Amino acid sequence: SAVISQKPSRDICQRGTSLTIQCQVDSQVTMMFWYRQQPGQSLTLIATANQGSEATYESGFVIDKFPISRPNLTFSTLTVSNMSPEDSSIYLCSTRAEDTKGGQYFGPGTRLLVL
Amino acid sequence: DAKTTQPPSMDCAEGRAANLPCNHSTISGNEYVYWYRQIHSQGPQYIIHGLKNNETNEMASLIITEDRKSSTLILPHATLRDTAVYYCIVSSGGSNYKLTFGKGTLLTVNP
Repeated sequence: SAVISQKPSRDICQRGTSLTIQCQVDSQVTMMFWYRQQPGQSLTLIATANQGSEATYESGFVIDKFPISRPNLTFSTLTVSNMSPEDSSIYLCSTRAEDTKGGQYFGPGTRLLVL
Repeated sequence: DAKTTQPPSMDCAEGRAANLPCNHSTISGNEYVYWYRQIHSQGPQYIIHGLKNNETNEMASLIITEDRKSSTLILPHATLRDTAVYYCIVSSGGSNYKLTFGKGTLLTVNP
């Protein structure tokens, strides 16, 4: 299985600012995913990021608010822009798990609190 | 992808088997059943997946009914560290590889 790390592990930010979350994988992967988990809720997919192409966003999520970069096959970033308290969530990245017929492996998450 | 239904919570005694049910009555022929769990404050952890045959690995067993409309995840000897939210997900694993997480089952293992 892939080992996925995220930075920062947690942060407290002021409203109106932006935060960039990094996701590093220990092997080359074709597909990476970004999820949001609001307090007490389940995971919601934000976007799918493939290397060399624009990210594909799910309904309700837009590039201006959540710009994503995918510069190579082991790394991706998600930026949460112009933050408000409603953006307080856990943000998780994941990768396609080649050995699970379509499953995914997840990073530990980034806990964001916006004041 | 087909929708799943899980009980919101279950309890299990430490050392006993935990049997977590999932209903997926609208599953289609090319869709897999995946199970994940999320221990508090951690990222989801892949447990097991199956198409139509029962599957077993070092973590758990997955029993899928013959009509594939429901399945059961079995943790043979639950420990306190198995306390987590367990998610049953149905997906075709197709080109978009999306996983749609429902609310899952909170399994509490009691000493």
